[in-house]
Formats: sequence, C-alpha cells, structure tokens
Amino acid sequence: KAGVTQTPRYLIKTRGQQVTLSCSPISGHRSVSWYQQTPGQGLQFLFEYFSETQRNKGNFPGRFSGRQFSNSRSEMNVSTLELGDSALYLCASSLGRLGALTDTQYFGPGTRLTVL
Amino acid sequence: AQSVTQLGSHVSVSEGALVLLRCNYSSSVPPYLFWYVQYPNQGLQLLLKYTSAATLVKGINGFEAEFKKSETSFHLTKPSAHMSDAAEYFCAVSEKSSASKIIFGSGTRLSIRP
Repeated sequence: KAGVTQTPRYLIKTRGQQVTLSCSPISGHRSVSWYQQTPGQGLQFLFEYFSETQRNKGNFPGRFSGRQFSNSRSEMNVSTLELGDSALYLCASSLGRLGALTDTQYFGPGTRLTVL
Repeated sequence: AQSVTQLGSHVSVSEGALVLLRCNYSSSVPPYLFWYVQYPNQGLQLLLKYTSAATLVKGINGFEAEFKKSETSFHLTKPSAHMSDAAEYFCAVSEKSSASKIIFGSGTRLSIRP
C-alpha cells in the first residue's frame, strides 16, 4: 500500500505570494491533518479534514486554510506569505475514526517551504 | 489543555548503552500517548502508541515505553543503542475524542557515540 505523498517536496516563494501544498493520503484513509514544523516553534497542529469538512483547527491565522476533496486528497493554502512561514509542512492521514484505539496517523515526507 | 514536556533537547549515548528519553504529559482526560521518530529530511514515523490497553508498550526497532499515571510520565527506552537510532524523537499526546489532533513535545535529538 502506498504511503502518504506530498507535493511538491521543496518550494521557494517570496513574501506576499501565496502557496498551495498538496497531500494524498493512504488509500482508504478519510482524515488528513496538517502540521507546521519550525526550529523555533517545533511541530504545531494546523487543522484536520475528514470527509471534506474541517473537523479540528489549531491556533493559526486565517491566512492558513485548507480543503479536502471527495477522494480524500487535501490541499493547504497559505496566502500573503511571511518570512516566518518558512517551515516543513507535514501532512498525516488516518482512518479518522474518533476514539478508535487502533487508528493511527501516518505522516508524509513533508514539503519544505522557504519564503524569501 | 494538553501538553507534553520532553526533558533534554539533546541526549548522547554510546553504542550498546541504554537509551532513555524522558517525557511528561499534562492532560485533563485520559490521553493517547505516542513516540515518533524523525530521521533527517524525512517525515515522522510512529514508534509506539499508548491507548490504555497496557502500561508497557512495545514498539518498533526495540523501543518500549511505560505509562506511569502517578508520575504523568511516558519515558522511551531501548536496552542497547545502535548507530541507526540517531534521530530526533518526539513525544506526543492526543485526546481520545480527537485522535487526529496531536500535540507534540519539543523533541529530543539522540546522538550515538561509536
């Protein structure tokens, strides 16, 4: 079974631009979560989508948004990029069954975004 | 609010020595607890997960962790370190009702001395 894939793997943008990152979950997984990893703030939860609906949200400004398609693929968008948005963006997929003991998140390799 | 604290941002051990990475959690409800490993330029890989089925959890690559409610701890151990264990390790917590939202610790970088 193929793992979680993220595209692109590397991205360079300038301040003020916007960017869209893509995540394809493991086949059969309906939940996709996004995380931002920076040296200063560590790993922080951005949001989770399940069945095309945002189910959980972290503490990030509205410039960070996402969506999920009917095939469970998810995109994350960051508008008006700032230097501080430079980070590794990780997505993770799972079956998404709330309270399920056996449900586990599987992470993709990440997209490294550099904002100049 | 849930949180995890990892004691020691960097741990160095000799090859063959015991590995002990410390994690304490704070949660108002019984949590799920995890240890993830991240190798350079890669995503996160789940080492093990505590879901209240057993307090001693065995994971991959010879790692295990023990859930101690009285100490609010979930320390990661491995009896004998291998060079390939060098990586960054993250302790994490989530609520049972929202297992897809994981709160991570700040990470511990493990170095292995030959």
